[in-house]
Amino acid sequence: SAVISQKPSRDICQRGTSLTIQCQVDSQVTMMFWYRQQPGQSLTLIATANQGSEATYESGFVIDKFPISRPNLTFSTLTVSNMSPEDSSIYLCSVGLTQGATDTQYFGPGTRLTVL
Amino acid sequence: GENVEQHPSTLSVQEGDSAVIKCTYSDSASNYFPWYKQELGKRPQLIIDIRSNVGEKKDQRIAVTLNKTAKHFSLHITETQPEDSAVYFCAAKGGGNKLTFGTGTQLKVEL
Repeated sequence: SAVISQKPSRDICQRGTSLTIQCQVDSQVTMMFWYRQQPGQSLTLIATANQGSEATYESGFVIDKFPISRPNLTFSTLTVSNMSPEDSSIYLCSVGLTQGATDTQYFGPGTRLTVL
Repeated sequence: GENVEQHPSTLSVQEGDSAVIKCTYSDSASNYFPWYKQELGKRPQLIIDIRSNVGEKKDQRIAVTLNKTAKHFSLHITETQPEDSAVYFCAAKGGGNKLTFGTGTQLKVEL
């Protein structure tokens, strides 16, 4: 597997502000993903962070609300913009590691966001 | 796109009993099926996975079975222990290396 870290681990933010979450991995990886997990719910893919090009967003998620950067193969950021209480959630990054013929995903520890 | 259904949503077993969680998927092109365990306040941890060219895989007390024809796969935990208590998520990978997750099963192992 890989060592994946996220910063911050948690934050409490005011409505209308933005928060940038960082994800760092200890080895170069091709695939990095950002997920949202609302309280008591499953994991929903926000976007795939592509190195050197724009992120690929899933239905229901847009770049203006969740801009993503991927400057290199070990780092990515997700910004939650113009936050509202509905954005309160856990945000997780994951990385895909090629093991045999399969890309296995491993998750970071998550960022718990509360919007007041 | 892919749709993954997971049952049951909650499961309570006595310590030492077996637990079975079932998932179905919709995309016949899906070829990889991992299972994650998530303890309260922790990240999802990969516990076992299976590829579409294999029907069954076992790792100590945990096994996963896959029926491609019926498009369903199951997680089996034998000799359950209190530390098995957690939320378990199944997932399926179709095109684009994207995982689609099931809705989760809260497993409680009672003493």
